[in-house]
Amino acid sequence: EDKVVQSPLSLVVHEGDTVTLNCSYEVTNFRSLLWYKQEKKAPTFLFMLTSSGIEKKSGRLSSILDKKELFSILNITATQTGDSAVYLCAVHRGSTLGRLYFGRGTQLTVWP
Amino acid sequence: NAGVTQTPKFQVLKTGQSMTLQCAQDMNHEYMSWYRQDPGMGLRLIHYSVGAGITDQGEVPNGYNVSRSTTEDFPLRLLSAAPSQTSVYFCASSKWGDTQYFGPGTRLTVL
Repeated sequence: EDKVVQSPLSLVVHEGDTVTLNCSYEVTNFRSLLWYKQEKKAPTFLFMLTSSGIEKKSGRLSSILDKKELFSILNITATQTGDSAVYLCAVHRGSTLGRLYFGRGTQLTVWP
Repeated sequence: NAGVTQTPKFQVLKTGQSMTLQCAQDMNHEYMSWYRQDPGMGLRLIHYSVGAGITDQGEVPNGYNVSRSTTEDFPLRLLSAAPSQTSVYFCASSKWGDTQYFGPGTRLTVL
């Protein structure tokens, strides 16, 4: 059975801290892994990862994929209160175009 | 471009009523999907479509029907609403089947 597991489920930090969110997966015919940010509304796309070891970066956010160990991490440096959100990891299988398999998400709360 | 639009934003139904949630996209995407989101459960796929006239079931299809007569529209029908269908519903579309763009959601309450 395909699985996408995120950890931790929730995390509380103070502004300026660095956080690492984890996503492990077990799927057949892996094609890509995606990260989304959700703030009380629709998820918004952050990154798509297809190759191992290549870091994707956008401002203070970065992500990397390890296809051998079947996991990805999302790093946020110098956190701000605006980073408070649920971060969702999803996996796309090549044999099921158009559908994503989501983890339960990590609720990140950043205190001022 | 409006992106992905959904109507209505909020809806309250009584048990046994039927209704249709509307979803439209103007990005000429082939792939469209419906998800439901419940507290602590992430997003679960209800139905999806890889093009006009082609639909398939996701993880939680029971109680829902879909059709895809045009590339732009992908309505979700609740046949006989039940309290277990109280949820937030998101429609999404994608050009290549992976990076999906979500609509603003419909919050549905079934009494």
